[in-house]
Amino acid sequence: NAGVTQTPKFRILKIGQSMTLQCTQDMNHNYMYWYRQDPGMGLKLIYYSVGAGITDKGEVPNGYNVSRSTTEDFPLRLELAAPSQTSVYFCASSYYDTNYEQYFGPGTRLTVT
Amino acid sequence: GQNIDQPTEMTATEGAIVQINCTYQTSGFNGLFWYQQHAGEAPTFLSYNVLDGLEEKGRFSSFLSRSKGYSYLLLKELQMKDSASYLCALKDSNYQLIWGAGTKLIIKP
Repeated sequence: NAGVTQTPKFRILKIGQSMTLQCTQDMNHNYMYWYRQDPGMGLKLIYYSVGAGITDKGEVPNGYNVSRSTTEDFPLRLELAAPSQTSVYFCASSYYDTNYEQYFGPGTRLTVT
Repeated sequence: GQNIDQPTEMTATEGAIVQINCTYQTSGFNGLFWYQQHAGEAPTFLSYNVLDGLEEKGRFSSFLSRSKGYSYLLLKELQMKDSASYLCALKDSNYQLIWGAGTKLIIKP
């Protein structure tokens, strides 16, 4: 099993550009999550999904969109990138809800200049 | 609302024992996780406490007191590879995880 994979690993965006961060898991997990991690701060939940076709907002959803068309994939879309979106983005999955440990992807380091 | 506090940084010696504390305030408690995160890497699961008491797992143990809003992670026989950040995460009344900022643990020979 590859677990949770994310692409790209690094990306530099100019202000106003858009991009999609890819996330795939091969563990047949129902729940998937997108977090951002800023230096010295805890992980912040952006969006989560409890299964294919179902997504919901987390703590910091503004400026982002997600979709979940399959169990495996959970892409995160940034529209009109802003410097405040400079961060490390982690995708995670869990078998069921937060009673279960979350498995994290390796992260995407995004810089918006 | 919810609030989680952890020390920002701790230093310990190889072979010793260290206790990393996590205090929290929440309107609804549904469990507490500890994760380890090496620099530049993703968090990995260490432990999950939902009932009061001590959970032991090899060199790592985690303790929870719900009445005091307090948890700690105990690391024994410290090794250089234990140098990492340790993240405390609270499962709130909405069943979402609220994460502490993490404690950076530095191990010295």
